[in-house]
Amino acid sequence: EAGVAQSPRYKIIEKRQSVAFWCNPISGHATLYWYQQILGQGPKLLIQFQNNGVVDDSQLPKDRFSAERLKGVDSTLKIQPAKLEDSAVYLCASSLDQDFYNEQFFGPGTRLTVL
Amino acid sequence: AQSVAQPEDQVNVAEGNPLTVKCTYSVSGNPYLFWYVQYPNRGLQFLLKYITGDNLVKGSYGFEAEFNKSQTSFHLKKPSALVSDSALYFCAVRASNQGGKLIFGQGTELSVKP
Repeated sequence: EAGVAQSPRYKIIEKRQSVAFWCNPISGHATLYWYQQILGQGPKLLIQFQNNGVVDDSQLPKDRFSAERLKGVDSTLKIQPAKLEDSAVYLCASSLDQDFYNEQFFGPGTRLTVL
Repeated sequence: AQSVAQPEDQVNVAEGNPLTVKCTYSVSGNPYLFWYVQYPNRGLQFLLKYITGDNLVKGSYGFEAEFNKSQTSFHLKKPSALVSDSALYFCAVRASNQGGKLIFGQGTELSVKP
């Protein structure tokens, strides 16, 4: 079974530039999550999708971050404009559905460095 | 608000010895508890979970965890550590009456020396 795919794996940009990350979840998984993991911390949820609808985006900085999952499969996360404090690993995860007992499967992440 | 604490930033163990990585949680309502492992430059990998029932949960690679409701703990254990177990371990909790968001601890670096 193929895992969660993410690209790019690494990205270096300057502050005020824009960047986009792509995620392809495990086939058949209805729920998709984007997390931000700052060095030395655990992942923090940014946004959760159920199919193509947003379930929770309460921790997404909406003035600069946006995400979409238009067809209920792939998803993109965008940052515009980037700030220095956005340097982190962005993890995409998916689960079969949003039942709380379902484990989430994580992709390898995109390491973003903002200079 | 729900929270997870991993009181040790680093745990050092000799190969062949038992290991314990500690986790305590705070939620109102029934917790769903998870352990994940992260190897360098890789995403998190699911190890095991507690949903309900037996307090001792067995997972991947010989790991197990014990749910203790009175102490609000969910410590990760392994009877005999391997050098290849060296990695970053995260405990996480989800509570059904608090939006269901998965909350992670800050992680514990496990180092197993030969």
